[in-house]
Amino acid sequence: GQQLNQSPQSMFIQEGEDVSMNCTSSSIFNTWLWYKQDPGEGPVLLIALYKAGELTSNGRLTAQFGITRKDSFLNISASIPSDVGIYFCAGQGLGNEKLTFGTGTRLTIIP
Amino acid sequence: DGGITQSPKYLFRKEGQNVTLSCEQNLNHDAMYWYRQDPGQGLRLIYYSQIVNDFQKGDIAEGYSVSREKKESFPLTVTSAQKNPTAFYLCASSIQGLAGGRLYFGPGTRLTVT
Repeated sequence: GQQLNQSPQSMFIQEGEDVSMNCTSSSIFNTWLWYKQDPGEGPVLLIALYKAGELTSNGRLTAQFGITRKDSFLNISASIPSDVGIYFCAGQGLGNEKLTFGTGTRLTIIP
Repeated sequence: DGGITQSPKYLFRKEGQNVTLSCEQNLNHDAMYWYRQDPGQGLRLIYYSQIVNDFQKGDIAEGYSVSREKKESFPLTVTSAQKNPTAFYLCASSIQGLAGGRLYFGPGTRLTVT
């Protein structure tokens, strides 16, 4: 089946730093989604991307749908303490089959 | 407020017992899903339902069962046949089944089996 490689697995940064993470797929996706999960809670949708090359922002978050349709990137600018959590990418292939989730990037802010 | 409710938040069971996890949504969504989350792994799909009285197996359905008798409810039973049931279980819903990919998740139920 489809596989999503998400990197890095974890990040330790200082408040105010910018963050970059990415997902790569073994096959083409029609849709890329980025979710954030706070500890002990369900994931919340941050950004949805539907077109190759698309660049979409949500406040300090910016995500891009890769031109090859096999990757996506998420950037967070000027990180703040509430950015702590696990960020998941998810992709949906041709034919609207079920979502495939990445393994997550755990973001920790060092005081 | 519209949303997805999962109860209880924490559940403890003895090995060999079946246990049912509740999921209710008042978003009027057609599709509902159950995912399992283990540390360091992505979300894995257990079962999904696109309409009432119909559901399909996901990637890891063995040892689980579901029902969809009402649009707003999609309970998951973890049976004694599930070899490693301790995990965090997430229920989700979407306006349309699978299309568009926009899932709305509940707060999750952490199941511990000893």
